[in-house]
Amino acid sequence: EILLTQSPDTLSLSPGERATLSCRASQSVSSRYLAWYQQKPGQAPRLLIYGASSRAAGIPDRFSGSGSGTDFTLTISRLEPEDFAVYYCQQYGNSLLFGQGTKLEIK
Amino acid sequence: QVQLVQSGAEVKKPGASVKVSCKVSGYNIIDASVHWVRQAPGKGLEWMGGFDPEDDEIVYAQKFQDRIMMTEVTSTDTEDASTNTAYMQLSSLRFDDTAIYYCAIMTGEISLDYWGQGTLVTVSS
Repeated sequence: EILLTQSPDTLSLSPGERATLSCRASQSVSSRYLAWYQQKPGQAPRLLIYGASSRAAGIPDRFSGSGSGTDFTLTISRLEPEDFAVYYCQQYGNSLLFGQGTKLEIK
Repeated sequence: QVQLVQSGAEVKKPGASVKVSCKVSGYNIIDASVHWVRQAPGKGLEWMGGFDPEDDEIVYAQKFQDRIMMTEVTSTDTEDASTNTAYMQLSSLRFDDTAIYYCAIMTGEISLDYWGQGTLVTVSS
């Protein structure tokens, strides 16, 4: 069974800074099956990135995804106040799996 | 505009069953893959099961396999209020099933494009 490990667990940054979130799979996964979600308190998750690097509709271009094989990255180029949230990566094999999440908090 | 509207909060006793509904508007459920994800208080996202668009069948996470059922009501009768609705029934509830239960759909890519607002299920004696 594939495991997804996100790092760091918590990332403390200031608005305007660049955020780099990592998602590592225990074995190689297809980029087509790698997605990223954002979740704010009291809200349902929101799709940010699908296919490892394609932005979902309405997602600002400061969000970008990259990676292949076992290592994937979500980058937020310049943090806005509304970007502080929890981020999850997801992969899909014969089942769907989420990473444990990275909390992006204001420093 | 695609919207998923879920049924309201539930309080159940241990051993009981709960059935959560998810009405989809703006997209034909026949063309979507419906999935269910839960989130225990203060915890991460946990996939429960859904329609595998590549194998064309419902797949359940192993830990729920023996007590979960996902169904859909589809119809060409647009006047039927129950159509375009997905259901998730979880039986033999335990205290640690207390969570927010989300429905979500894949509409093309292998990602959960749209989500319901969540249904809080509390298991309490």
